Amino acid sequence: EVQLVESGGGLVQPGGSLRLSCAASGFTFSSYWMTWVRQAPGKGLEWVANIKQDGSDKYYVDSVKGRFTISRDNAKNSLYVQMNSLRAEDTAVYYCARVIPAAKPESGYYYMDVWGKGTTVTVSS
Amino acid sequence: DIVMTQSPDSLAVSLGERATINCKSSQSVLYSSKNKNYVAWYQQKPGQPPKLLIYWASTRESGVPDRFSGSGSGTDFTLTISSLQAEDVAVYYCQQYYSTPPNFGQGTRLEIK
Repeated sequence: EVQLVESGGGLVQPGGSLRLSCAASGFTFSSYWMTWVRQAPGKGLEWVANIKQDGSDKYYVDSVKGRFTISRDNAKNSLYVQMNSLRAEDTAVYYCARVIPAAKPESGYYYMDVWGKGTTVTVSS
Repeated sequence: DIVMTQSPDSLAVSLGERATINCKSSQSVLYSSKNKNYVAWYQQKPGQPPKLLIYWASTRESGVPDRFSGSGSGTDFTLTISSLQAEDVAVYYCQQYYSTPPNFGQGTRLEIK
């Protein structure tokens, strides 16, 4: 069964740091782009960051550039996001999702076909 | 950045009736050489993660009931539920993957009338 399980969420003070993890199983992790998408309480979905299969390309939403770092360990079938200088507006459920890679000769990625259940991050003093 | 705008923000439809949700992109998401529209639709039920319904604007994901259909091209797209069931109560999001950032629409909340 294809599965994504996030962990690492919690309560953190403004300015603090947190590292989220996403454990993948049931598919060849190294063959897919991966992404983080967040959802603030009562709000819609916001894409946060993408990472290519080999980690060579990474993209971020402007609001997290310089503060968040997406990474992956294909040997451990795991996706991560290191979140520094956290702000109240980063409070959200964070989902990891599998992203279908673009078909050659295109580069890039397509849609998100498998989602985890999410982990909650609360930034508050 | 491509902005995705959905309408309406909320919708109430009677059981068995048709529900229609619209999504407009700020620029074309049609990849002309492939004749494919880079749009997906997701369903999010309360307390659950999003679930992929439709990709390439009109291709139904495996296991999705055929009462769900997607249409449109260029900048205007529609998700239609042909006969609303109680289990379809959810928030629906469109998303473009034509360019980075792969933005979502703001969501449309679908309820039973």
